[in-house]
Amino acid sequence: DAGVIQSPRHEVTEMGQEVTLRCKPISGHNSLFWYRQTMMRGLELLIYFNNNVPIDDSGMPEDRFSAKMPNASFSTLKIQPSEPRDSAVYFCASRPGGGTQYFGPGTRLTVL
Amino acid sequence: TQLLEQSPQFLSIQEGENLTVYCNSSSVFSSLQWYRQEPGEGPVLLVTVVTGGEVKKLKRLTFQFGDARKDSSLHITAAQPGDTGLYLCAGASAGSYQLTFGKGTKLSVIP
Repeated sequence: DAGVIQSPRHEVTEMGQEVTLRCKPISGHNSLFWYRQTMMRGLELLIYFNNNVPIDDSGMPEDRFSAKMPNASFSTLKIQPSEPRDSAVYFCASRPGGGTQYFGPGTRLTVL
Repeated sequence: TQLLEQSPQFLSIQEGENLTVYCNSSSVFSSLQWYRQEPGEGPVLLVTVVTGGEVKKLKRLTFQFGDARKDSSLHITAAQPGDTGLYLCAGASAGSYQLTFGKGTKLSVIP
């Protein structure tokens, strides 16, 4: 079975541009998480979806960040406008029920 | 706010040596997980410990959960270059979906 799929794997953009990160969770998993990882802050939870519904978005840094999950097999994380301090590795993870979280390979975002 | 402190932050050792890394908190967790993350990849779960005092072994890796469920350790015997990576601990609270991650210990095993 394919694991969690994220695209793109690398994204370089200029400050002020819109960035969209994509995630396909493992089939059958009903929970999806978006995380951000930096050297300074480690792994931080941004938002949690359960059955496609956002349950907790308290980790979303500010209004420039938004996330959607239109169906069980797809989620997006959008940053508009992007800023250099958004540079980080963004991970998507999915899990079945209350089980183990499976992480995707991440998207490395660089905002110049 | 629950915090997990991991130490050391960086560790570089020769192949064949033993090592221990630590994960400490002032908070009690219902379970604690250890992940290994390789460069360019996402974290991969190694083990979950749920009972205070529990010890689990995974080949050369030994994981222990503290009696008070506030801390944990990971011991690697005869480290190999393939053990190189970032080791993360993550705590879970009862009834919560959320994991609290430490910042990790970056291990380099030199051949």
